[in-house]
Amino acid sequence: EIVMTQSPATLSVSPGERATLSCRASQSVSSNLAWYQQKPGQAPRLLIYGASTRATGIPARFSGSGSGTEFTLTISSLQSEDFAVYYCQQYNNWPPATFGQGTKLEIK
Amino acid sequence: QVQLQESGPGLVKPSETLSLTCAVSGYSISSGYYWGWIRQPPGKGLEWIGSIYHSGSTYYNPSLKSRVTISVDTSKNQFSLKLSSVTAADTAVYYCARVLDTAMVFDYWGQGTLVTVSS
Repeated sequence: EIVMTQSPATLSVSPGERATLSCRASQSVSSNLAWYQQKPGQAPRLLIYGASTRATGIPARFSGSGSGTEFTLTISSLQSEDFAVYYCQQYNNWPPATFGQGTKLEIK
Repeated sequence: QVQLQESGPGLVKPSETLSLTCAVSGYSISSGYYWGWIRQPPGKGLEWIGSIYHSGSTYYNPSLKSRVTISVDTSKNQFSLKLSSVTAADTAVYYCARVLDTAMVFDYWGQGTLVTVSS
């Protein structure tokens, strides 16, 4: 099973600033990496798949990069609605598809 | 617009079987795609349980495989989850979701339903 590790666990950033979230895989997942956003009491929302492809309706301020074992989600200019928990997920070697433990993005 | 809605008991006794159904609207399951179940214990992260194709082909998380059954009913446009021999560790919000194309990525999600395992 591929283990996904996200860092940091909590990230404090001011609105309007850039946020950079990291995700590391225990072995290569090629570009088969997705990012989700989850707000309290809501289901996760798909943001990015294929490491860098934005899902339908996702604003351009969200971008993903990386391949192999190291991945990054960047939010270029944080809006109030972006403060949430973010999860990465690999789907290169499944079953099982596996998720990271999440990064909580909070207002500084 | 694809919509998914989970339903089932919110409380299950230890050692019994958890049963949930996901009703799909806005898309015919028989037209294609995989459909999946994911769970999230309170305050914790996400765990993929398993997925099913409209034809009935299934994939399960090896850690749960001995206790999980996912089935599909195309006539009712829904799919179901059964998890046997539950314990308190199975307490979680259970989500159903659609899988994006052939990659195990989840693009449409239900709102989730909390299932508590307790006597």
